[in-house]
Amino acid sequence: AQTVTQSQPEMSVQEAETVTLSCTYDTSESDYYLFWYKQPPSRQMILVIRQEAYKQQNATENRFSVNFQKAAKSFSLKISDSQLGDAAMYFCAYRTLNQAGTALIFGKGTTLSVSS
Amino acid sequence: NAGVMQNPRHLVRRRGQEARLRCSPMKGHSHVYWYRQLPEEGLKFMVYLQKENIIDESGMPKERFSAEFPKEGPSILRIQQVVRGDSAAYFCASSTSSGNTIYFGEGSWLTVV
Repeated sequence: AQTVTQSQPEMSVQEAETVTLSCTYDTSESDYYLFWYKQPPSRQMILVIRQEAYKQQNATENRFSVNFQKAAKSFSLKISDSQLGDAAMYFCAYRTLNQAGTALIFGKGTTLSVSS
Repeated sequence: NAGVMQNPRHLVRRRGQEARLRCSPMKGHSHVYWYRQLPEEGLKFMVYLQKENIIDESGMPKERFSAEFPKEGPSILRIQQVVRGDSAAYFCASSTSSGNTIYFGEGSWLTVV
């Protein structure tokens, strides 16, 4: 069974600085998707970024980018120029392409605090 | 801009009552997922449905919980005879058949008193 591990329960960053959130996963499959979701205090789940495993190029969305290391099964999220609005819980998630089971599997989350 | 719509946003039930949570997927999405989030915890998968079909219910408790996604209308997560431990946020998500992007609703908060 696939598992997702986020080893940092809490992280903090100063405004305008850069922070990296770690995520590792375990799978025997070669094709899958990886996601980062953000959950602010409003508790809504917001998709931040997505990576297809078959793509070697790291995904980027404005200030958010990932470092995808397939062999190491690592998928870290880098937030550049951090803003107060980035403060939230961040969840890493995995999704198999196996037709029999295609739900997202989440890590336990990392709480990011941003200070001015 | 109709995203994933969940209602009610907040629901209070007494122990032993039934709770019904509804989810309308994004336009064009035929797949629905239900997740539960307990306080201070991550999201736990419950069930994955297509129209009129349950694809994966491996995360559903064996008793009191059921889900459906009828041909017409929203998906419904039903919890019978609620207990205090059912108090949680219940999130619905939807996707197309490829599932390469999954969008979440704003959640339904169930409080059992």
